[in-house]
Amino acid sequence: AQSVTQPDIHITVSEGASLELRCNYSYGATPYLFWYVQSPGQGLQLLLKYFSGDTLVQGIKGFEAEFKRSQSSFNLRKPSVHWSDAAEYFCAVAVGGSARQLTFGSGTQLTVLP
Amino acid sequence: ETGVTQTPRHLVMGMTNKKSLKCEQHLGHNAMYWYKQSAKKPLELMFVYSLEERVENNSVPSRFSPECPNSSHLFLHLHTLQPEDSALYLCASSHGGPGELFFGEGSRLTVL
Repeated sequence: AQSVTQPDIHITVSEGASLELRCNYSYGATPYLFWYVQSPGQGLQLLLKYFSGDTLVQGIKGFEAEFKRSQSSFNLRKPSVHWSDAAEYFCAVAVGGSARQLTFGSGTQLTVLP
Repeated sequence: ETGVTQTPRHLVMGMTNKKSLKCEQHLGHNAMYWYKQSAKKPLELMFVYSLEERVENNSVPSRFSPECPNSSHLFLHLHTLQPEDSALYLCASSHGGPGELFFGEGSRLTVL
């Protein structure tokens, strides 16, 4: 069965600093990969996704992620964090014929210091 | 209205009650999902309804019963729940194959 690991439960950065959130997956083939964000009291919102092609994908809100097959990783990055980026971030993979079933990581809580 | 709407947003129930959570999507999507979000745990897929399939997570207890009368509405019927069922229940919808899930804001359930 596929699995997703987000090694960092909680990350704190200062506003304006760069950010990298780690995600590793375990699956026999290249899965479909996603990053979602959840603000307090809200549902999840898709930031970006990778299906194939260019391994560096751009998303909304200035986020990007890079797929590295050799490392089974799909890390999320942002060059300069804004206070409004404080939220919980979830990495997810989708597998299967219809690939409708997402498996989520445990999430990384991001705190942004002024 | 647009998006995915869940009601109620908050629900407190006793272990002997019967209640239902409702989800409605106005996006024209053809698949709907229930996820359970508990503190310190990954989101758990409970049920998927689509034109092609209905998927159930075998680990979901029978005290949770889904109903999908049409492609726009999804219910989660709850009966004789346990305190450990307290969680945020998220509904989502999608269209087509692998792609974006649109989530509602969730129903926060507390079982006393």
